[in-house]
Amino acid sequence: NAGVMQNPRHLVRRRGQEARLRCSPVKGHSHVYWYRQLPEEGLKFMVYLQKENIIDESGMPKERFSAEFPKEGPSILRIQQVVRGDSAAYFCASSRDRASTDTQYFGPGTRLTVL
Amino acid sequence: DAKTTQPNSMESNEEEPVHLPCNHSTISGTDYIHWYRQLPSQGPEYVIHGLTSNVNNRMASLAIAEDRKSSTLILHRATLRDAAVYYCILRDGTQGAQKLVFGQGTRLTINP
Repeated sequence: NAGVMQNPRHLVRRRGQEARLRCSPVKGHSHVYWYRQLPEEGLKFMVYLQKENIIDESGMPKERFSAEFPKEGPSILRIQQVVRGDSAAYFCASSRDRASTDTQYFGPGTRLTVL
Repeated sequence: DAKTTQPNSMESNEEEPVHLPCNHSTISGTDYIHWYRQLPSQGPEYVIHGLTSNVNNRMASLAIAEDRKSSTLILHRATLRDAAVYYCILRDGTQGAQKLVFGQGTRLTINP
């Protein structure tokens, strides 16, 4: 009974490179959320996707960041031209349906370090 | 999203009950009260949620004040594994699936 899987668990990039973070939701879940946790700070929402659609991207930085959740395959959070301020833990969560009370299940996170 | 207020930190001893308070004085009638926790170096995990009545599950109990302006998460017998940051979050029941808005939470320390 696999939970949310994220890979890689740790990612090191140099400034200017691209970072791709992958998230496989719980089997049967069609809602995916991405959150970011900067060092010594709280979790901040970034984007909410349903299959092939972005529902809420109010927390996404306007530049360099993009997310997708294709019909087949994992959700991808892509960060282009990374800067040191992008160093953080990125968590993905999934939920089963549209109910506001539906539990979000979180993955173990990807820790991005930008050198 | 309505705001919640929690103490920054709390400390308790192993095998004793822990009561984690949360104030949400501006809660609306359709807001559900959710609790999540984040263990060190892990993603958050769901603990419990409720609307008006007190709730129990295998992890914890949730006591909701009659006026719903505050709630208390109760861990009946804390273990070292319960050391985590606990987040009290309001979710609007009329909005369907939605993001979680995390505050600073309460960092719970359990002494052996």
